[in-house]
Amino acid sequence: AQKVTQAQTEISVVEKEDVTLDCVYETRDTTYYLFWYKQPPSGELVFLIRRNSFDEQNEISGRYSWNFQKSTSSFNFTITASQVVDSAVYFCATSGSARQLTFGSGTQLTVLP
Amino acid sequence: DGGITQSPKYLFRKEGQNVTLSCEQNLNHDAMYWYRQDPGQGLRLIYYSQIVNDFQKGDIAEGYSVSREKKESFPLTVTSAQKNPTAFYLCASSPKSRGSEAFFGQGTRLTVV
Repeated sequence: AQKVTQAQTEISVVEKEDVTLDCVYETRDTTYYLFWYKQPPSGELVFLIRRNSFDEQNEISGRYSWNFQKSTSSFNFTITASQVVDSAVYFCATSGSARQLTFGSGTQLTVLP
Repeated sequence: DGGITQSPKYLFRKEGQNVTLSCEQNLNHDAMYWYRQDPGQGLRLIYYSQIVNDFQKGDIAEGYSVSREKKESFPLTVTSAQKNPTAFYLCASSPKSRGSEAFFGQGTRLTVV
């Protein structure tokens, strides 16, 4: 069975601050995939990134960056210079031998102007 | 535009009634999923289908039923046996290949009145 823990239920930051969202996963699969999704108030989940278990390179996409560390089973997400439009619920998820995604409970990020 | 369409966006149900939530995709994806979202609990898998005419129970299938008669359609019926159906329901689809990201619809908010 797989499990994803997002210990931060809610985070508030002031615009332009950097913020890191934590994600810790558990899996028995040797090959697995990790994901981040964003859920704005409209409700639809928007895909942000996917990593596979063999690729521990960190990734940067604009103001977003992801830090994958197998040694600590973590896949953390950092937003640099946060903006009000970043306010949303962010979900970390994993999939392995079972193709369906297992989600964490989400982190509500509020960016204040 | 390619995507996933869920309807209706809002649905009200009287206690004891069955209701069906629609999910249609034109992405030519093989796999489709239904998730339930409750506040603070993330997304939980109800049912999923990897191919037409085949589907499996997820973690919380009790009180729900599905069908997959066409590749593009995966309707979810919330039956009167579901004791606490008020929630936000999300449909998703993904390609058959392992590790593919899932694409989500905009969701249906079901309220029991």
